[in-house]
Amino acid sequence: GAGVSQSPSNKVTEKGKDVELRCDPISGHTALYWYRQSLGQGLEFLIYFQGNSAPDKSGLPSDRFSAERTGGSVSTLTIQRTQQEDSAVYLCASSLVEGNTIYFGEGSWLTVV
Amino acid sequence: QKEVEQDPGPLSVPEGAIVSLNCTYSNSAFQYFMWYRQYSRKGPELLMYTYSSGNKEDGRFTAQVDKSSKYISLFIRDSQPSDSATYLCAMNTDKLIFGTGTRLQVFP
Repeated sequence: GAGVSQSPSNKVTEKGKDVELRCDPISGHTALYWYRQSLGQGLEFLIYFQGNSAPDKSGLPSDRFSAERTGGSVSTLTIQRTQQEDSAVYLCASSLVEGNTIYFGEGSWLTVV
Repeated sequence: QKEVEQDPGPLSVPEGAIVSLNCTYSNSAFQYFMWYRQYSRKGPELLMYTYSSGNKEDGRFTAQVDKSSKYISLFIRDSQPSDSATYLCAMNTDKLIFGTGTRLQVFP
């Protein structure tokens, strides 16, 4: 597709379960970002990937969070042993090159009950 | 202190008003400055992108950057109800750092 695609768009999970969120960036974009947006809050940086370089994981809030990017394209954000405070919108974005304007997907709305 | 500060609002204005949205920042290394618009339950969409100090105009929107004061603004002229959204400033060196967003409501 033309834009950043994320799935699932909505996910309700029980506390303690693991979840996987998927992001398919714009074709040809080398940089991929994950952000988290809680209700009434700004966007919190989580992690970004640039080409084949080691990802910048400085924003991951705990070791329950991890992400990978396979083949320089699709990325998966995994949250293990989910907690209620993990409830948020998880936004993926991509850009042509690092530091350039980034384009967002519609987000994955995660609710932990 | 946050790297980027933005008044969360909400800001409520009548249709046709001029709207001024602002952000301040502390990191002088920021080079690129952007404004994103986010409608309810949607991802942010890029509205304006500037690199240097000064003004950039696009239709009813004007982005202003003052690097000496570490201050950026977005002006919306002739505001419309369809402009009702959350406006997020963002700036970067490598990764984008966002303000908390200002919720704007334009009433008819």
